[in-house]
Amino acid sequence: GDSVTQMEGPVTLSEEAFLTINCTYTATGYPSLFWYVQYPGEGLQLLLKATKADDKGSNKGFEATYRKETTSFHLEKGSVQVSDSAVYFCALSDPSDYKLSFGAGTTVTVRA
Amino acid sequence: GAVVSQHPSWVICKSGTSVKIECRSLDFQATTMFWYRQFPKQSLMLMATSNEGSKATYEQGVEKDKFLINHASLTLSTLTVTSAHPEDSSFYICSARAGPAPSPLHFGNGTRLTVT
Repeated sequence: GDSVTQMEGPVTLSEEAFLTINCTYTATGYPSLFWYVQYPGEGLQLLLKATKADDKGSNKGFEATYRKETTSFHLEKGSVQVSDSAVYFCALSDPSDYKLSFGAGTTVTVRA
Repeated sequence: GAVVSQHPSWVICKSGTSVKIECRSLDFQATTMFWYRQFPKQSLMLMATSNEGSKATYEQGVEKDKFLINHASLTLSTLTVTSAHPEDSSFYICSARAGPAPSPLHFGNGTRLTVT
């Protein structure tokens, strides 16, 4: 079945550091890929998405490129802020039923 | 934007009692809602798909008699944990789409259930 594997955390960074969270997936067909973010005490919010190979999703300085050849969708941000501290989830949507499969989540803490 | 409201945000109950969690779409109608369970430091696990006006579709391994889902209107789905036990303690999250698939899911803030 479909699955998502993302790097384990927690990740602790200083402000303005570069952030990468690796995400790889296994799926039949051509899934859509998502990154969701969960800020402390809040629900999940869609951060960005990509629906086909080579698409780049971007939002709030974060970027991720749908790499079919490596089945990856790594999340990057060039200069993090304290407000980026959150749990980040990689997810895929199976095109047959659009159900979401989530990775385990990566906790990111940015220190001032 | 699309808002999904979940209530309560946390609840503590005694073993053997039942607990109801509500999920509402505040500014859109949702024919389908999804219920997830999140264990500490683990991913969200899809429990069931709630369908307005019909029976919910449960994922493999999820007890339908224990986790009762009712989707009585286009803006409300409820999850009732019946005869709760300490192992049911978890974080439950609902979600819904504001448009047809594959439009993104919008999530509630979750409900922390603790069974003592």
